[in-house]
Amino acid sequence: EAGVTQFPSHSVIEKGQTVTLRCDPISGHDNLYWYRRVMGKEIKFLLHFVKESKQDESGMPNNRFLAERTGGTYSTLKVQPAELEDSGVYFCASSQAIYNEQFFGPGTRLTVL
Amino acid sequence: AQSVTQPDIHITVSEGASLELRCNYSYGATPYLFWYVQSPGQGLQLLLKYFSGDTLVQGIKGFEAEFKRSQSSFNLRKPSVHWSDAAEYFCAVGPGYSSASKIIFGSGTRLSIRP
Repeated sequence: EAGVTQFPSHSVIEKGQTVTLRCDPISGHDNLYWYRRVMGKEIKFLLHFVKESKQDESGMPNNRFLAERTGGTYSTLKVQPAELEDSGVYFCASSQAIYNEQFFGPGTRLTVL
Repeated sequence: AQSVTQPDIHITVSEGASLELRCNYSYGATPYLFWYVQSPGQGLQLLLKYFSGDTLVQGIKGFEAEFKRSQSSFNLRKPSVHWSDAAEYFCAVGPGYSSASKIIFGSGTRLSIRP
């Protein structure tokens, strides 16, 4: 069984540009989560989807970040326009039920120059 | 406020030596506690978790952790480390049956192994 996959593994963009990160959860997992880790800090929750609905988006830093999960399968996280402080590693996780173990992907390392 | 503290940013131990990684938490209700490991180029992998019951929890790769409510701690231990244990380790709390879905992580402890 394939695990959580994320694309790209690394993205380097300039300040002001747009970047879209993609996450493919484990097949059959209704719950999908986004987290991020900025340099040297802890991993922080961004938001949680149940199928295509946003269950909790309390961690989204500002309106430059837009997450979607059309059809309840893969999810995208768009940053527009990107700022220097958006640099970090963005993790995606999925779980079958809300209180089940969350399985994490390898992360996307975003560098904003 | 809910938080997790890992006081050691970087630890180096010799191969074959014992290991203890410290974790303290602040949580309003009975915590659900986790340890994750991230090896280079890999995602976060769950090592072990504590929900209730026996306070000494066994995990994968020979790791164990002990929940001490009086000290608000959940330290990770391994009796003899291997070179392949070099990685970054994260302590975390949540989610629980009455809490939100998000996991709250500590800032991580990077483990290096001395040959």
